[in-house]
Amino acid sequence: EAQVTQNPRYLITVTGKKLTVTCSQNMNHEYMSWYRQDPGLGLRQIYYSMNVEVTDKGDVPEGYKVSRKEKRNFPLILESPSPNQTSLYFCASSLTGTGHGYTFGSGTRLTVV
Amino acid sequence: GNSVTQMEGPVTLSEEAFLTINCTYTATGYPSLFWYVQYPGEGLQLLLKATKADDKGSNKGFEATYRKETTSFHLEKGSVQVSDSAVYFCALRSNNNDMRFGAGTRLTVKP
Repeated sequence: EAQVTQNPRYLITVTGKKLTVTCSQNMNHEYMSWYRQDPGLGLRQIYYSMNVEVTDKGDVPEGYKVSRKEKRNFPLILESPSPNQTSLYFCASSLTGTGHGYTFGSGTRLTVV
Repeated sequence: GNSVTQMEGPVTLSEEAFLTINCTYTATGYPSLFWYVQYPGEGLQLLLKATKADDKGSNKGFEATYRKETTSFHLEKGSVQVSDSAVYFCALRSNNNDMRFGAGTRLTVKP
């Protein structure tokens, strides 16, 4: 089944404790992206990647890192999480090109206390 | 820059009512337009799309027509069901591959 798999689905952590949210897709998509969804603010892009070893900042990259060492994986790293990073995070992937829609993962609900 | 504006919700309808959710966009070039749906506790799913002017996207009884002259992509369904209750997002994808989303419209359908 074609899908984007994120893990974990839920995570509660403490301020300053490094964490990684994994994202993997099995559709051979070149393009991958991370979003956060907050009430009243909609979906905001954190980072995206056009292909292996090619990543770039989205609208709200501060406090996050990403890597794209393999085509299928695009982990999101929070080196020192803070409470303002409490949010619902989505990974998405697609073929490159304006006519292609995204396939989203099921989301990771992160709480930083 | 590119942006999408969609009608604010929430929208509450009775079962079998007609649905319209308005969406307008601002973009340079020739974007593609999309509607996504998010059911409670899930990620967004692609509902339909249109890639050029006058194209009509359709899926599961939902339709939207890409209107370049009015820069709009309104979502419609003739008869909604309780199972259509969800949040609907309008989006555009431009030549730089960037996908821009509207704020989302929550739809509740009552039996």
